[in-house]
Amino acid sequence: EDQVTQSPEALRLQEGESSSLNCSYTVSGLRGLFWYRQDPGKGPEFLFTLYSAGEEKEKERLKATLTKKESFLHITAPKPEDSATYLCAVQAPNFNKFYFGSGTKLNVKP
Amino acid sequence: GAVVSQHPSWVICKSGTSVKIECRSLDFQATTMFWYRQFPKQSLMLMATSNEGSKATYEQGVEKDKFLINHASLTLSTLTVTSAHPEDSSFYICSARQRPDTGELFFGEGSRLTVL
Repeated sequence: EDQVTQSPEALRLQEGESSSLNCSYTVSGLRGLFWYRQDPGKGPEFLFTLYSAGEEKEKERLKATLTKKESFLHITAPKPEDSATYLCAVQAPNFNKFYFGSGTKLNVKP
Repeated sequence: GAVVSQHPSWVICKSGTSVKIECRSLDFQATTMFWYRQFPKQSLMLMATSNEGSKATYEQGVEKDKFLINHASLTLSTLTVTSAHPEDSSFYICSARQRPDTGELFFGEGSRLTVL
């Protein structure tokens, strides 16, 4: 069964404490893997696209990596403003089919 | 970056009334838009794929007559919740692809529907 699983469900960090969020997938024929940030009561904000194993993307304190089975979102020296829910989505061979994970809720305390 | 705007951001209505939510791509044309529903602390549930100039494709279990989708132009898709009931209360989000050859979805701000 095609699915996307994110872990942990919730993560509490102290400001400056680096960590990683995981997105594992069983979708066959991945076209692309996407990371989004979602603030409460808002729509998801696009962060990264990864297309092939070994690919990495960076933006400020965030770095996304991809293997054949999973993706990691590394957060280096996080700040309180990084607190949000981070969603992972996988695009299936059907161009219009996306599988979303349930998200990791990150809370960064000052 | 691509901007998708949703309106209204929140709406409260009485049971039995219909509510229309608009989704606009502001700086690009979108032949395909997607409508999602999100329950508290859960991920996005795809409701339907909206295709400009043709009928929407609904996911299994989503009532076509309850959730009417119209994609009349390349920049506008609407979701109408007909005869709304309290169980329809939810957060509805639309998304669109800026380019048809890529997968990046850009999302609207979401619309919070509360049915009394």
